Amino acid sequence: GAVVSQHPSRVICKSGTSVKIECRSLDFQATTMFWYRQFPKQSLMLMATSNEGSKATYEQGVEKDKFLINHASLTLSTLTVTSAHPEDSSFYICSARGSRDRGNSPLHFGNGTRLTVT
Amino acid sequence: GQNIDQPTEMTATEGAIVQINCTYQTSGFNGLFWYQQHAGEAPTFLSYNVLDGLEEKGRFSSFLSRSKGYSYLLLKELQMKDSASYLCAVLDNYGQNFVFGPGTRLSVLP
Repeated sequence: GAVVSQHPSRVICKSGTSVKIECRSLDFQATTMFWYRQFPKQSLMLMATSNEGSKATYEQGVEKDKFLINHASLTLSTLTVTSAHPEDSSFYICSARGSRDRGNSPLHFGNGTRLTVT
Repeated sequence: GQNIDQPTEMTATEGAIVQINCTYQTSGFNGLFWYQQHAGEAPTFLSYNVLDGLEEKGRFSSFLSRSKGYSYLLLKELQMKDSASYLCAVLDNYGQNFVFGPGTRLSVLP
């Protein structure tokens, strides 16, 4: 149980375009979604936290107008990278916690999206 | 503030035992998790500690000392497939936010 599906797994886009990444919880209700970015040989950096039906909370230094997060339902959250630039090239990973998760419940991760901006 | 430290890289030999340390200073603590991450893949959960002591799960064990802000992951009978990054993560006071350490890249040599 607790499967998170993230799509696409890889995407290449041109500079200046926008890219949408979807994250779906397949068998549970994701009350909270976390979006991470990971550069090569570095750890996961939290970008934002979103709760279903409310605005996302962004970490310091993350531009909310550039990284649009929508969590409109209990099974879907999206991250849109707007006006992408080569420096946005990274590995983006979503994770979720459900209503039944307790303190000792690990995060349920999607498989990640490798974004390359040319 | 939030600060988690891990060694950047470690190397060990197949069949050996390796200990990966993690020290943390966070504004709150609701448990510490260890994850394994292979390159280009999502992290996978290994272990969880919230009370002091050792938790054993097969070849993997994890230890926690809350008073020292210290944890370690012990991997026994190393296999080549254990070559990966190992991340420790602390769950904060509100039980919502995970703070990840920088990760330790482990290379297992034949």
